[in-house]
Amino acid sequence: GQQLNQSPQSMFIQEGEDVSMNCTSSSIFNTWLWYKQEPGEGPVLLIALYKAGELTSNGRLTAQFGITRKDSFLNISASIPSDVGIYFCAGQLRPGGTSYGKLTFGQGTILTVHP
Amino acid sequence: DTGVSQNPRHKITKRGQNVTFRCDPISEHNRLYWYRQTLGQGPEFLTYFQNEAQLEKSRLLSDRFSAERPKGSFSTLEIQRTEQGDSAMYLCASSAIVITEAFFGQGTRLTVV
Repeated sequence: GQQLNQSPQSMFIQEGEDVSMNCTSSSIFNTWLWYKQEPGEGPVLLIALYKAGELTSNGRLTAQFGITRKDSFLNISASIPSDVGIYFCAGQLRPGGTSYGKLTFGQGTILTVHP
Repeated sequence: DTGVSQNPRHKITKRGQNVTFRCDPISEHNRLYWYRQTLGQGPEFLTYFQNEAQLEKSRLLSDRFSAERPKGSFSTLEIQRTEQGDSAMYLCASSAIVITEAFFGQGTRLTVV
């Protein structure tokens, strides 16, 4: 099936550092979503992007929808220990309307933050 | 709590047994999705409902899997004759038609021994 390539696979950083991760696809998506998942829990939505070129922030998180619609990135500034978790990108083919809204996920980026 | 609720959180079953999971979506969300997640991977789409209609099923959903959403509210996912390969986290998500963000429940962790 359709795959998203997410990189890096893992990151080990010091508290206070900035983090950047990205996601690429061979296909165009109309919506990009970024989720965070902690062990034993379901993914929690962080940011949703709807337009090519869109740059959206949520606190220390900033995400952008690539102009080609085939990529997205997520930045975390001034990381803190509670940022630890697995970050997933997800693409959706069509927003709203009669589409089913199925999400295609990347493989995830494991983030470890050392105090 | 107005989020997506899944029960049980954990299930351990013997190979060959049937199991059923339940998902209660966010109130008034028309769409309900089931995903499966194995260790080290992102969630993979299984099936989707709009109200009570099941509109799509993934090839991952073999004949041993069946999902229902009888009244357009809660949904159940049943796995018959479980196999060890069925061991995974089963995630439910819901969304409204107009707002496309999907919100996930905490998942049901299935272990087949």
